[in-house]
Amino acid sequence: AQTVTQSQPEMSVQEAETVTLSCTYDTSESDYYLFWYKQPPSRQMILVIRQEAYKQQNATENRFSVNFQKAAKSFSLKISDSQLGDAAMYFCAYRSEYWGGSEKLVFGKGTKLTVNP
Amino acid sequence: EAGVAQSPRYKIIEKRQSVAFWCNPISGHATLYWYQQILGQGPKLLIQFQNNGVVDDSQLPKDRFSAERLKGVDSTLKIQPAKLEDSAVYLCASNTIQGVNEQFFGPGTRLTVL
Repeated sequence: AQTVTQSQPEMSVQEAETVTLSCTYDTSESDYYLFWYKQPPSRQMILVIRQEAYKQQNATENRFSVNFQKAAKSFSLKISDSQLGDAAMYFCAYRSEYWGGSEKLVFGKGTKLTVNP
Repeated sequence: EAGVAQSPRYKIIEKRQSVAFWCNPISGHATLYWYQQILGQGPKLLIQFQNNGVVDDSQLPKDRFSAERLKGVDSTLKIQPAKLEDSAVYLCASNTIQGVNEQFFGPGTRLTVL
C-alpha cells in the first residue's frame, strides 16, 4: 500500500519570503500522480499543483513550484513571495495511475503553514 | 459553476445514535468520493462511486457505515450506530471521468459524537 509522509507538522514564513514544504512517499508503482492541496481554516480543500510521475519537468503554477525527485520518492512544494492568504494546511497526496479501479487520493498528515506579516 | 454542496455543515450526536450526511457533486461529475478526516490527519477514502456503482469501499466500516448514490447524482453517507471515534470531518469530492482530473472538494460536515 502507498504511504505519504509529511515530516513538518508546522512551518512559518515571513510575508514575501520563500518556504519549502517537504513530502516523501512510498510506492512500488512506476506511474502515478502527486498533488499538493491547500485547506484554509474552515474552508474547503483546493488543488495547488499536480505532477505526473512520467514527466521529468517539475510543475509550476505561478508562485508555487515543486521539486520532484522520483528516485528519492520526494515531492516538495516551494512557495515564493509568500502572502497572508497562503496560510493554511497543506496536504501532499498520491494517486495511482491504475485505470479502471480506485482513484483514491492517499494523503499525508499535513503541514500547517503560518505566514507572518 | 456551482461547487460540491454538503449538508449539514455541523452535527452533534450522542454515541449509538444515527446520522446521515448529504452531498451534491458538481453537475456532470460522474465520480463521487467520501473521505473521513480525523483531527490532525489527512483525509482517508471511505467510498468511491462511478455513477451509481461502487468502485472502492475497501476502507468503509460496513458494520456501521453505509452510502448510496441511487440516481448517479447526489449521495448520502450514513452512520448507524455512531461511536466516539467517528468524530471527524466528512468530505465529499467529485470529478469528471476517471482520469487525472482534479478532485473538487465540498466544505465538509463536522461530526462530533459525545
